[in-house]
Amino acid sequence: QSVLTQPPSVSGAPGQRVTISCTGSSSNIGAGYDVHWYQQLPGTAPKLLIYDSTNRPSGVPDRFSGSKSGTSASLAITGLQAEDEAGYYCQSYDSSLSGVVFGGGTKLTVL
Amino acid sequence: QVTLRESGPALVKPTQTLTLTCTFSGFSLSTSGMSVSWIRQPPGKALEWLALIDWDDDKYYSTSLKTRLSISKDTSKNQVVLKMTNMDPVDTATYYCARGYSGPATSNFDYWGQGTLVTVSS
Repeated sequence: QSVLTQPPSVSGAPGQRVTISCTGSSSNIGAGYDVHWYQQLPGTAPKLLIYDSTNRPSGVPDRFSGSKSGTSASLAITGLQAEDEAGYYCQSYDSSLSGVVFGGGTKLTVL
Repeated sequence: QVTLRESGPALVKPTQTLTLTCTFSGFSLSTSGMSVSWIRQPPGKALEWLALIDWDDDKYYSTSLKTRLSISKDTSKNQVVLKMTNMDPVDTATYYCARGYSGPATSNFDYWGQGTLVTVSS
């Protein structure tokens, strides 16, 4: 059981908007620690998508955005494309565990 | 251009010690703020952070695996080594090394190796 909770799967049609939630607690996201998001295409290593909750690394399309509020964070993807079909993971720090924590991952299916 | 590459055995027997090496280029682990982490992913499952070593040789470990892990660096060779003792079939996973910044509380991982699959079986 992951410290950060994500929905196992989400889906959407091309062009639509989807959001993926990442729910934590007062010892991680709620304590103010930043949330980072990764995209993992099948058979490949994860790729940093959003860092420090809301920032995009160079080269990441602005269709991807992140937000954080309270003990939760969200990743939003607008203008869904077939190439967005992948696994998505959130990551933060947990002070009770004194370590990096990941969410359980969300599989995005583009219908 | 930043690259990382994991190397080590593809198959280990239960109770053996796993030694993995991360060889990187494009940055130096002697640069203030830099760190390298090991992260693993069992087949079909989620990512799990294992350990981090930073530019100042500070080391951090997953609480649940702390007694079995050891991380070290050789700055001159641009390498980070992870040792995991008493391997078990549940440790079967793809093991990644990734570059980060500072300690675990603030670090994200902006570059990853391609990963190496380690199978634990007799």
